[in-house]
Amino acid sequence: KQEVTQIPAALSVPEGENLVLNCSFTDSAIYNLQWFRQDPGKGLTSLLLIQSSQREQTSGRLNASLDKSSGRSTLYIAASQPGDSATYLCAAYTDKLIFGTGTRLQVFP
Amino acid sequence: GAGVSQSPSNKVTEKGKDVELRCDPISGHTALYWYRQSLGQGLEFLIYFQGNSAPDKSGLPSDRFSAERTGGSVSTLTIQRTQQEDSAVYLCASSEGQGGLYEQYFGPGTRLTVT
Repeated sequence: KQEVTQIPAALSVPEGENLVLNCSFTDSAIYNLQWFRQDPGKGLTSLLLIQSSQREQTSGRLNASLDKSSGRSTLYIAASQPGDSATYLCAAYTDKLIFGTGTRLQVFP
Repeated sequence: GAGVSQSPSNKVTEKGKDVELRCDPISGHTALYWYRQSLGQGLEFLIYFQGNSAPDKSGLPSDRFSAERTGGSVSTLTIQRTQQEDSAVYLCASSEGQGGLYEQYFGPGTRLTVT
């Protein structure tokens, strides 16, 4: 059974810092891994999707990497801003999306 | 274009009553998913529909939960005889197809409170 874990559970950083969010999964037979952002009281916004054949994806200040063999993905946020404050969720897709419990990020001015 | 929409945004119901939650997927998306997000449980898969295929109901927590998708578009999640543990945010998502090639796009969710 696929299990997805995210570390840290919460993170508070000053504006401008580069930071890394970690995601690990137990079953490496995934088709893709997706990173989402969730703002309080809102739905999920897709940030990046990495196919199993890919190593990384980039969108603006975000870069996500995938290492299937070790069961890990990282989301790198460059030059963090207060507007980046949200909960970040990773999800591994086998025959369905299995979500991690998220990292709650706070970026303070 | 329009994203995934859900209604109602909030629903308060008494224990034992039935509720219906609605999802309008992105036009043209053949796959539709329901998830539940509750405190302490994270986000869990409930059911998905792909085209005219039989739905995957493997995530439904009990037989009080059911869902249908009419005409390959709008979906309704029904919870019968609601219990307090059903209180959660119910999220719907759609994608262009089923499988690992496609991103899932989420609606804003319906917050269900069972009193």
